[in-house]
Amino acid sequence: DGGITQSPKYLFRKEGQNVTLSCEQNLNHDAMYWYRQDPGQGLRLIYYSQIVNDFQKGDIAEGYSVSREKKESFPLTVTSAQKNPTAFYLCASSIGGRGNEQFFGPGTRLTVL
Amino acid sequence: DAKTTQPPSMDCAEGRAANLPCNHSTISGNEYVYWYRQIHSQGPQYIIHGLKNNETNEMASLIITEDRKSSTLILPHATLRDTAVYYCIVIRGSQGNLIFGKGTKLSVKP
Repeated sequence: DGGITQSPKYLFRKEGQNVTLSCEQNLNHDAMYWYRQDPGQGLRLIYYSQIVNDFQKGDIAEGYSVSREKKESFPLTVTSAQKNPTAFYLCASSIGGRGNEQFFGPGTRLTVL
Repeated sequence: DAKTTQPPSMDCAEGRAANLPCNHSTISGNEYVYWYRQIHSQGPQYIIHGLKNNETNEMASLIITEDRKSSTLILPHATLRDTAVYYCIVIRGSQGNLIFGKGTKLSVKP
């Protein structure tokens, strides 16, 4: 079955450590996205990538980094510079541009202790 | 992209139609209305989108007013599994970002 996967579902890290969240899709989608969601809030865009080897900052990119070396993969690194990293992180993909129907993964809940 | 306004919460009886309103009075002519929903602790799920005409698919119907300043998402026969937060998003074609507000929390009750 085609889909988008994120791993792990739950992640715990100590303050000051960098952590990388995985996102893989086998939908042959060109575009991929990372969102952050805090309790009771909507989603906020961190980074997005329209094609391989290219990505753009979203609304809250500070303290995060990404890479897009392969079409299927779009890992997100939460660096120690991110002041409040505890959140629910969601990855998505779409066939074309940002406004097209986006398919979301199940999310990774990151807790920084 | 235009801003949207949705009620924070709504209740619906199981088996009845759920009508979720959305105001987008500043929408531009080339902006689409999208609806997503998010079941607790899962990723959002696309439901439907439209520009001017009413749309229907296997999940829902979307009714857009003639002046396009508001729309209504209709779940014709709500089930307990439809309990979720529903997001109304206005976006300019394929070039805008999906901006998820707080949405409407729909509770379907037996």
